Amino acid sequence: AQRVTQPEKLLSVFKGAPVELKCNYSYSGSPELFWYVQYSRQRLQLLLRHISRESIKGFTADLNKGETSFHLKKPFAQEEDSAMYYCALHSDYKLSFGAGTTVTVRA
Amino acid sequence: KAGVTQTPRYLIKTRGQQVTLSCSPISGHRSVSWYQQTPGQGLQFLFEYFSETQRNKGNFPGRFSGRQFSNSRSEMNVSTLELGDSALYLCASSLGGQMNEKLFFGSGTQLSVL
Repeated sequence: AQRVTQPEKLLSVFKGAPVELKCNYSYSGSPELFWYVQYSRQRLQLLLRHISRESIKGFTADLNKGETSFHLKKPFAQEEDSAMYYCALHSDYKLSFGAGTTVTVRA
Repeated sequence: KAGVTQTPRYLIKTRGQQVTLSCSPISGHRSVSWYQQTPGQGLQFLFEYFSETQRNKGNFPGRFSGRQFSNSRSEMNVSTLELGDSALYLCASSLGGQMNEKLFFGSGTQLSVL
């Protein structure tokens, strides 16, 4: 069975500092991985997906199959990045979410 | 275009009752999935529908059921409510439910069971 692990429940960084959110997964097949974000009083929304290899709002994530990881990174955090971030794995028409990491960016 | 719409926004029920939640997907989207969100368990998959067919079901008791109509709108039903069913129920839609598709989420229905 698939599993997604986000080891950090809370992450606090200063504005302008780098931020990295960890995500590890276990899955026997070829994973389809995503990062979803929920800003205060907003809906859960897609941030990025590994297949697109894109950078959204300065965030990037690299799939490392050897380490079964999909960490999310941003070199310079902004106050508007404060939110709840979920790593998710898509298989068999369902998303399996990690527990989420709450990021607080301090001025 | 309009986003995913969930009704009602809030519900208060008592133990033993049943409840029906509704979800209208984005126009043109044919896949609808449901998730339960609680502080303790996080986001957990309930079921997914495509063209009125359930393609996957999460690890929930049979009291949780759902269906999808020909216009892609979906409902989920919880019978014999228990206190532990109190949660935010989220609906998400996508074009065809393929593996790398983006899901669009609704605002959710907050269910409180007293």
